[in-house]
Amino acid sequence: QQPVQSPQAVILREGEDAVINCSSSKALYSVHWYRQKHGEAPVFLMILLKGGEQKGHDKISASFNEKKQQSSLYLTASQLSYSGTYFCGTDPSGAGSYQLTFGKGTKLSVIP
Amino acid sequence: NAGVTQTPKFQVLKTGQSMTLQCAQDMNHEYMSWYRQDPGMGLRLIHYSVGAGITDQGEVPNGYNVSRSTTEDFPLRLLSAAPSQTSVYFCASSYRVAGEETQYFGPGTRLLVL
Repeated sequence: QQPVQSPQAVILREGEDAVINCSSSKALYSVHWYRQKHGEAPVFLMILLKGGEQKGHDKISASFNEKKQQSSLYLTASQLSYSGTYFCGTDPSGAGSYQLTFGKGTKLSVIP
Repeated sequence: NAGVTQTPKFQVLKTGQSMTLQCAQDMNHEYMSWYRQDPGMGLRLIHYSVGAGITDQGEVPNGYNVSRSTTEDFPLRLLSAAPSQTSVYFCASSYRVAGEETQYFGPGTRLLVL
């Protein structure tokens, strides 16, 4: 079942922080976060595992809620290059990144 | 490394025509997937493969076939194109080693079915 992302869109000024949420109807083994710029392919940002381990980007972090059904992506001190659409890909069973179910995306715009 | 490559970049088909979207990766990744992306819909999994000779269906497999005869190549075949298959198609490959996993996407193929 497709995860629900919120907000659908957000506008930030450079240096501001943002939080993007990804909610699933099932407890998750892992959540994978991607960023896609217009006309380009999605690019892997980070993976959040059920034990809280994170692997990926320096200035981006993520967390699970207690039930492991919602993940939040934290973007700190945003830069213009952070603009794009962010997708979460959920993996409830631990099958792996080749079998993800993606949300519809959150469009992030960073302005000077 | 070229990473994940896809051909063609653009294609226009007439309803009922068939075609093959090519995908290749040179990273020796075990896992490969095909997604389609429609406006406002995110990415939806069509088929995936966990190794040469092994494929399985994803969320939206109808109208598509895949095969994986080598580790490098994972072509997607449209059997009889329909306007509903107008979309951007992304191929991806991934690895998984000791808790590390990363999925790399190809540049995409934009398909228009008239």
